[in-house]
Amino acid sequence: GENVEQHPSTLSVQEGDSAVIKCTYSDSASNYFPWYKQELGKRPQLIIDIRSNVGEKKDQRIAVTLNKTAKHFSLHITETQPEDSAVYFCAALTGANNLFFGTGTRLTVIP
Amino acid sequence: DTAVSQTPKYLVTQMGNDKSIKCEQNLGHDTMYWYKQDSKKFLKIMFSYNNKELIINETVPNRFSPKSPDKAHLNLHINSLELGDSAVYFCASSLRGGRWETQYFGPGTRLLVL
Repeated sequence: GENVEQHPSTLSVQEGDSAVIKCTYSDSASNYFPWYKQELGKRPQLIIDIRSNVGEKKDQRIAVTLNKTAKHFSLHITETQPEDSAVYFCAALTGANNLFFGTGTRLTVIP
Repeated sequence: DTAVSQTPKYLVTQMGNDKSIKCEQNLGHDTMYWYKQDSKKFLKIMFSYNNKELIINETVPNRFSPKSPDKAHLNLHINSLELGDSAVYFCASSLRGGRWETQYFGPGTRLLVL
């Protein structure tokens, strides 16, 4: 089955700096990689996703890159703001259409 | 913001009891899911279900059973609750359960087994 690993587990950055979260996956059949943001006590919400036929995708201050050969993908947040503080989860959708999540990264943006 | 809703929001119960968590989506989606999020925040798929197929994560104990009265609802029934069942349970849905579809999560049900 799929195994998604996510690093780091915690990340603290100064406001305005960039944050990078990295994930690896094991199932070469996985071809859809969403990122979810979960604020304290709230539900996970999709913030960006990437399909395997694309190497990079941007949406304002967030971007995701995918290296299918190496089976890793990353989330980049630029010009971080306090409201970016949350737990971020990467995920990989398997051939059986099950979404496997990474273990999460707690991002803290220090004002 | 009530596209996927769950009840109850909090559930505190004794070991050995049987309980159900309800999930409803008004998005017209065909596929629904249950996830368990443990104290370490690890989100793990338990079930995915559409009109045609129930896919069970093989690591889920058979004390857990999804029940779907119609395609807008997927309830989670848990028999003989154990301490280790304490977690936040999230329901989610997607349009057809196909590839590249966004999954929309419910607000979660925080279960505490005493």
